[in-house]
Amino acid sequence: NAGVTQTPKFQVLKTGQSMTLQCAQDMNHEYMSWYRQDPGMGLRLIHYSVGAGITDQGEVPNGYNVSRSTTEDFPLRLLSAAPSQTSVYFCASRQRPSSAYNEQFFGPGTRLTVL
Amino acid sequence: AQSVTQLDSHVSVSEGTPVLLRCNYSSSYSPSLFWYVQHPNKGLQLLLKYTSAATLVKGINGFEAEFKKSETSFHLTKPSAHMSDAAEYFCVVSEGGSNYKLTFGKGTLLTVNP
Repeated sequence: NAGVTQTPKFQVLKTGQSMTLQCAQDMNHEYMSWYRQDPGMGLRLIHYSVGAGITDQGEVPNGYNVSRSTTEDFPLRLLSAAPSQTSVYFCASRQRPSSAYNEQFFGPGTRLTVL
Repeated sequence: AQSVTQLDSHVSVSEGTPVLLRCNYSSSYSPSLFWYVQHPNKGLQLLLKYTSAATLVKGINGFEAEFKKSETSFHLTKPSAHMSDAAEYFCVVSEGGSNYKLTFGKGTLLTVNP
């Protein structure tokens, strides 16, 4: 299994540009989520999904959109990039959305810079 | 609402000496607790998790943590630090049940000196 994969690893955008961060998992996990990591802030939840066709907002959703058309894929869209969105983005997945005991697997991250 | 506080943003130890990374949590329900490690420019890896089966939890690479309900703490320890332990460590809480969101602490950077 490849686990959780993310593309691209690095990206530089100009203010106002849009882009999609890709995330895929091959473990048939129901629960997927996106976090952003900023220095001294830990990881903050952006959006999450408990299954195909079901998404919801996390702690910091503004400026981001998600969709979940398949179990495997959970892309994150930046509609109009802003410098405040400069961050490292992590995608994660877990077997079941309703159990807290299942290990959450993280992708390697995407480092995004918005100029 | 759940929250987690990592009491030290940076801990520095010498190789071969004990490691203590402190974590306090707040939860309205019986929590699940985790420690994750992140090496430089890498993703997050699960070190250990508390599932209410035992209060002393053993993880990978010689780390362990003790759940103390009376102190609302879940401190991470290791008897002898190795250079490869240098990384950032995150304490994570989840209230479980229908609340499947994980709340992360702000992280503790562990430096290991030769």
